[in-house]
Amino acid sequence: DIQLTQSPSFLSASVGDRVTITCRASQGISSHLAWYQLKPGKVPNLLIFTASTLQSGVPSRFSGSGSGTEFTLTISSLQPEDFATYYCLQFKSYPLTFGGGTKVEIK
Amino acid sequence: EVQLVESGGGLVQPGGSLRLSCAASGFTFSNYFMGWVRQDPGKGLEWVANIKQDGSEKYYVDSVKGLFTISRDNARNSLYLQMNSLRAEDTAVYYCARYVRDTVVGNYYFDYWGQGTLVTVSS
Repeated sequence: DIQLTQSPSFLSASVGDRVTITCRASQGISSHLAWYQLKPGKVPNLLIFTASTLQSGVPSRFSGSGSGTEFTLTISSLQPEDFATYYCLQFKSYPLTFGGGTKVEIK
Repeated sequence: EVQLVESGGGLVQPGGSLRLSCAASGFTFSNYFMGWVRQDPGKGLEWVANIKQDGSEKYYVDSVKGLFTISRDNARNSLYLQMNSLRAEDTAVYYCARYVRDTVVGNYYFDYWGQGTLVTVSS
């Protein structure tokens, strides 16, 4: 199975900060990776697919990069509505696997 | 507008069974792979199962193989998850999600998710 190691697991940041979350795969997954945002009581929200393609309707402050085993999600200027938990998910092979999540909280 | 609405969750005793449903609307259901993902309370996400458009291929996480069965009824635009021999560790919010293919690169991903249904396994 492909393991995804997400870091950090928790980060505290201020509005306006640049935030970077990393996802490392235990083996190469090309660009078969997506990023999701989860908020309590809300439907999970797709942010990025194919490692770097911004989902329609997602603000441009979100960006994704990487290929192979190392990927990043960047929020260029953190907004109040971005405080949430973020997960990466690999689709290279079954079983599909998620990273452990990164909770972004207000400093 | 794509909508996925799960139902069927609830409290069940260990060893019991439950059948989750997901009603799809706003798209041609029979054209899409579908899947189930769960989230432990206070923990992370875990993919559970996927099913091909015509039901001919099914994929499961190892921990539910032989216990859970994913199925679909394209005439009713519905996805199901039959869960048997439930254990405490199956307690989670269960989401159904649409599994789509990136038309440019060919990669797959889940694009739309439902709001989830809570399954609690406890005596």
